[in-house]
Amino acid sequence: DTGVSQDPRHKITKRGQNVTFRCDPISEHNRLYWYRQTLGQGPEFLTYFQNEAQLEKSRLLSDRFSAERPKGSFSTLEIQRTEQGDSAMYLCASSLEVLNEKLFFGSGTQLSVL
Amino acid sequence: DQQVKQNSPSLSVQEGRISILNCDYTNSMFDYFLWYKKYPAEGPTFLISISSIKDKNEDGRFTVFLNKSAKHLSLHIVPSQPGDSAVYFCAASQGGNNRLAFGKGNQVVVIP
Repeated sequence: DTGVSQDPRHKITKRGQNVTFRCDPISEHNRLYWYRQTLGQGPEFLTYFQNEAQLEKSRLLSDRFSAERPKGSFSTLEIQRTEQGDSAMYLCASSLEVLNEKLFFGSGTQLSVL
Repeated sequence: DQQVKQNSPSLSVQEGRISILNCDYTNSMFDYFLWYKKYPAEGPTFLISISSIKDKNEDGRFTVFLNKSAKHLSLHIVPSQPGDSAVYFCAASQGGNNRLAFGKGNQVVVIP
């Protein structure tokens, strides 16, 4: 399977705990994006990388959130001191660095904070 | 602020008929528009796109129309099939960075 892979698919945690999600993009894609989707809403942009450089972060990405893409391949998204409002589907997408190129999404990680 | 808006959250249509989904946007700098389809427990999958230099793009049963002066686009699905039952998201980007702004989505149910 050469699509975007996300792990885990589901994560249940207690408020205050830290969680980390992983995304493996399509291998030749140098752009990687993180989005968050809550019930009844469309995906909301969080951050994106071009190779290993994090080029943009949304104001939604509070200081409890950190994302990395250390070697320009896979990426991790960490949420520290989780809150119930962090419960959402976290989607990863990747694309080529081509003008107006479509994004390919993974199946997401569903986070539930109890 | 919601820069991409999709009203009429749900649509039911008979198999074989036309499904029309509408989308409005507020940011005049958007220059690329896409539609994504999403099944439950899966990520969005790309359906069709259109550049701001065009007013229509067609791919099989799917056609997207863009009216820049009205900041409005629509997706037509003809004929609708039961497998088209899904949530459809309108998305837009500007400046070639591929960072997409999404609408809230429309649930489409195609009745056999």
